[in-house]
Amino acid sequence: QVQLQESGPGLVKPSGTLSLTCAVSGASVSSSNWWTWLRQPPGKGLEWIGEIHHSGRTNYSPSLRSRVGISVDNAKNQFSLNLYAVTAADTAVYYCARDLTVTRYCFDYWGQGTLVTVSS
Amino acid sequence: DIQMTQSPSSLSASVGDRVTITCRASQVISNSLAWYQQRPGKAPKLLVYAASRLESGVPSRFSGRRSGTDYTFTISSLQPEDFASYYCQQYYDTPPTFGQGTKVEIK
Repeated sequence: QVQLQESGPGLVKPSGTLSLTCAVSGASVSSSNWWTWLRQPPGKGLEWIGEIHHSGRTNYSPSLRSRVGISVDNAKNQFSLNLYAVTAADTAVYYCARDLTVTRYCFDYWGQGTLVTVSS
Repeated sequence: DIQMTQSPSSLSASVGDRVTITCRASQVISNSLAWYQQRPGKAPKLLVYAASRLESGVPSRFSGRRSGTDYTFTISSLQPEDFASYYCQQYYDTPPTFGQGTKVEIK
């Protein structure tokens, strides 16, 4: 059974860095799948942040590209998100997810999500 | 970015009802469309991809189809556990984008 679990601080100060890690079990981040971060502001819709392949290749949303970094640790079977210079608009539930094996950008396994609040 | 317009934003229905949700893309997406269910406080769950392919383990009362430029999602007979929000998502082009969601409530 594939499981993903997000972890990281639930509160980040404005202008600070949001850092989250997604631990994967039941699957290998070194597989052919891509691994993704998404977010959902409270009461709103879903937004794709970006993705990473075990080779280190990344793709980011154009709206966040200047502030985001995603990395992978194949040895620990996890991948991470850094979002820099955060504001209140970055307050959201952050999800990690796995792309479907048969097609990119369609997500079959998700973490439970973690709420990150940006506030002083 | 491709804009996904989903309707209705909410609906009320009874157990056993047939429910249909529609999504329209701002440009051609060639059946690269998925539907997700999200229960309150939970992560989205993939139900349908490639417009009409049911994800493994998803009950057959859920279905998706394309009709011209519209994509529709249908629950043939609403069950108590189906009261949730539903989102469409295109993955034809990056960034992948989602509709604003449809909340299915109990009448």
